[in-house]
Amino acid sequence: SYVLTQPPSVSVAPGQTARTTCGGDNIGSKSVHWYQQKPGQAPVLVVYDDSDRPSGIPERFSGSKSGNTATLTISRVEAGDEADYYCQVWDTTSDHPVVFGGGAKLTVL
Amino acid sequence: QVELQQSGPGLVKPSQTLSLTCAISGDSVSSNSAGWNWIRQSPSRGLEWLGRTYYRSKWYNDYAVSVKSRITINADTSKNQFSVQLNSVTPEDTAVYYCARGRVGLVGDYLDVWGKGTTVTVSS
Repeated sequence: SYVLTQPPSVSVAPGQTARTTCGGDNIGSKSVHWYQQKPGQAPVLVVYDDSDRPSGIPERFSGSKSGNTATLTISRVEAGDEADYYCQVWDTTSDHPVVFGGGAKLTVL
Repeated sequence: QVELQQSGPGLVKPSQTLSLTCAISGDSVSSNSAGWNWIRQSPSRGLEWLGRTYYRSKWYNDYAVSVKSRITINADTSKNQFSVQLNSVTPEDTAVYYCARGRVGLVGDYLDVWGKGTTVTVSS
């Protein structure tokens, strides 16, 4: 089964830049999508197809990919960005084609 | 604006069937460019995709191997909604269940609209 690996946590001060990564075999051949989930709420799509933003998502959220790692970058971090962030890919070789990473908790100091 | 409204019981007894419904507004369950998914989330399993139904001139279903023998996802075009049934539940099926719309990306689907979630507890 395909595995996406995320570091469990990232901390950053307000106004700084937060980066969290997502690693997986041959991830360069897949599209990576990112979700934000605040406590008690459903996930919200913040980046799709590696680097596109849905309408309504601030430009402060951006995605990139290099080699076997995808990165979600949040610029000018605000207190309201504190949340869990999950990456997701589609992998038809897995037991289930929609594969999520384990999530990374962003703490705003 | 697409919205998904979930409904269904929050408590299910072991060995019984979990049934949840997701009503769609702002899109059609028969859309040729969307898929209709169920995902669950628990502390032990994280986010776990369960399955989907979608229409491409006919209806298709995909299910996760882990639940394939116990799950059915159906669409109801008359009510513009879709549902999930999970049979023979155990306490391990205790989770928050979400419905979500899938859209086709460059490589596979992403989930762009989610329901608010239903907390389902399996307990006698």
